[in-house]
Amino acid sequence: DAGVTQSPTHLIKTRGQQVTLRCSPKSGHDTVSWYQQALGQGPQFIFQYYEEEERQRGNFPDRFSGHQFPNYSSELNVNALLLGDSALYLCASSLLTSGKYNEQFFGPGTRLTVL
Amino acid sequence: QKEVEQNSGPLSVPEGAIASLNCTYSDRVSQSFFWYRQYSGKSPELIMSIYSNGDKEDGRFTAQLNKASQYVSLLIRDSQPSDSATYLCAARGSTLGRLYFGRGTQLTVWP
Repeated sequence: DAGVTQSPTHLIKTRGQQVTLRCSPKSGHDTVSWYQQALGQGPQFIFQYYEEEERQRGNFPDRFSGHQFPNYSSELNVNALLLGDSALYLCASSLLTSGKYNEQFFGPGTRLTVL
Repeated sequence: QKEVEQNSGPLSVPEGAIASLNCTYSDRVSQSFFWYRQYSGKSPELIMSIYSNGDKEDGRFTAQLNKASQYVSLLIRDSQPSDSATYLCAARGSTLGRLYFGRGTQLTVWP
């Protein structure tokens, strides 16, 4: 049973560039949520995708956008990178109809460094 | 008030002791509650979920929820050095919604 996968593992970009991060959810899951985790902080919610639509969005600027594909995989795009975008980007998958817990399981993350 | 607040610690306990981790939450989150363990440089790993008032036990871990006091805790019995990690408390505001995380509590279990 494949877990949540993310690519790439690490990424180094310069200010102003654009980046695309990818996520494949756990087998059987249909919902993907993206989080940003700065050093020493808890994960912060960016947005959630279900049925190829953005269902919820956190307090992040429009430079952050995403997409979900018919196979439930997802991409996170960040434009016009800032130094402050350096963080661990986490993808979490869940099954929307799994009931009251609707547990989210995280992938290994992508470490983004902006220079 | 933030949705989820944790005592950032750090917390240090000897091997074999009980480690107690605490979390409070606001009215904006009241559905389900989760504890994640995060080793340094790794991603969070789900270890406990709790929805109803009271205790929920899984092996050496016990999650406790008190909705009247808006308080969630995690007890780790017989703590082991391998339990040394940051523990993140998370809560959901609606059935299908996002998770709100605390800053985490760093736990060190020394031999």
